[in-house]
Amino acid sequence: ELKVEQNPLFLSMQEGKNYTIYCNYSTTSDRLYWYRQDPGKSLESLFVLLSNGAVKQEGRLMASLDTKARLSTLHITAAVHDLSATYFCAVERWTSGSRLTFGEGTQLTVNP
Amino acid sequence: NAGVTQTPKFQVLKTGQSMTLQCAQDMNHNSMYWYRQDPGMGLRLIYYSASEGTTDKGEVPNGYNVSRLNKREFSLRLESAAPSQTSVYFCVICGQGAYEQYFGPGTRLTVT
Repeated sequence: ELKVEQNPLFLSMQEGKNYTIYCNYSTTSDRLYWYRQDPGKSLESLFVLLSNGAVKQEGRLMASLDTKARLSTLHITAAVHDLSATYFCAVERWTSGSRLTFGEGTQLTVNP
Repeated sequence: NAGVTQTPKFQVLKTGQSMTLQCAQDMNHNSMYWYRQDPGMGLRLIYYSASEGTTDKGEVPNGYNVSRLNKREFSLRLESAAPSQTSVYFCVICGQGAYEQYFGPGTRLTVT
């Protein structure tokens, strides 16, 4: 059974600081995704990571994938308040269709 | 959430009542999914349909039935609602071989 674990689950940080969210998964996968969710809203796709060593960056967020370690990271650089949200990683496996297994989510609060 | 609609947006049910959640897409994609989101647990797959005429169980199918009415529509039915089914339900669309999923706006269901 595929398990996906994120840590930390809660993260409170100051504006301007850097931090990393970790996503570990238990078995091989086809792709790994990162999503953002604002309170009361749906999920917004941030990144898809396809292969070992993949790195994607968008603004202050950078995601990477190490398939050998079964680990993905989401690095936040010089955080700003607008980044406050819950971030999910999800691992995809294809078995007669795409199936996503989600982590528990990391609730990020960026304080002024 | 462009291209994916869910109805209703909110619903309150009493234990034992039944209801159907509707999902429709205008993107002409084959794969449609129902997930539920509970606090602190991420999203979990209930049922999915890889193509018109096929449905498969996901991680948490008990208490639910689905119907893939046509390529556009995928419905989720609760025959006898229970408080444990209080959750936010998301319909997700995935194109064949695509790297992105499209999340619906969600249905917030409360069972008292």
